[in-house]
Amino acid sequence: KQEVTQIPAALSVPEGENLVLNCSFTDSAIYNLQWFRQDPGKGLTSLLLIQSSQREQTSGRLNASLDKSSGRSTLYIAASQPGDSATYLCAVGDMYSGGGADGLTFGKGTHLIIQP
Amino acid sequence: EAQVTQNPRYLITVTGKKLTVTCSQNMNHEYMSWYRQDPGLGLRQIYYSMNVEVTDKGDVPEGYKVSRKEKRNFPLILESPSPNQTSLYFCASSSASGYGYTFGSGTRLTVV
Repeated sequence: KQEVTQIPAALSVPEGENLVLNCSFTDSAIYNLQWFRQDPGKGLTSLLLIQSSQREQTSGRLNASLDKSSGRSTLYIAASQPGDSATYLCAVGDMYSGGGADGLTFGKGTHLIIQP
Repeated sequence: EAQVTQNPRYLITVTGKKLTVTCSQNMNHEYMSWYRQDPGLGLRQIYYSMNVEVTDKGDVPEGYKVSRKEKRNFPLILESPSPNQTSLYFCASSSASGYGYTFGSGTRLTVV
């Protein structure tokens, strides 16, 4: 069964720094990997989706990379801002279900605080 | 606007009183799922559906029921809620082509 781990569990950095959040998964037979943002008590907002054939995706100040063979993904946030403070979740869709028909396996998230 | 809509957003109920949380998506997605989120345990899948009349258990299905009579709707039913079902619930949908999941805003359920 797929297991997804996110390190660190919590991170606090000053505004303006570039930072990297890590996600690792145990089964490399994935269909895709999705990064989400969750604000306290709120729903999940999709940030980036990487298909298994892709190496990275970019959206604004965010860049996500995928290395299937090593079972790792990183989310890079450039020039962090206080508004980036949230919990960031990594989720994997398994190959066996052809795109995650049986849903996603989530990590427990990285709680990020950007200090003004 | 493409979205997944859950209702209600907040619900407080008593043990044993049947309830239904509704979920509807307007993207013509084939796949729909229900998750619960608990502190320290993260998001865990309850049930999922690959299409109309096709549903299957996720990781934590005990105490829940679902149905998929129409493509757009995927209600979550708690026949006899118990306090250990107090949680934050999310519905999500995705197309069969695997272009990522869209989540609803969540339903915070408290069972007393």
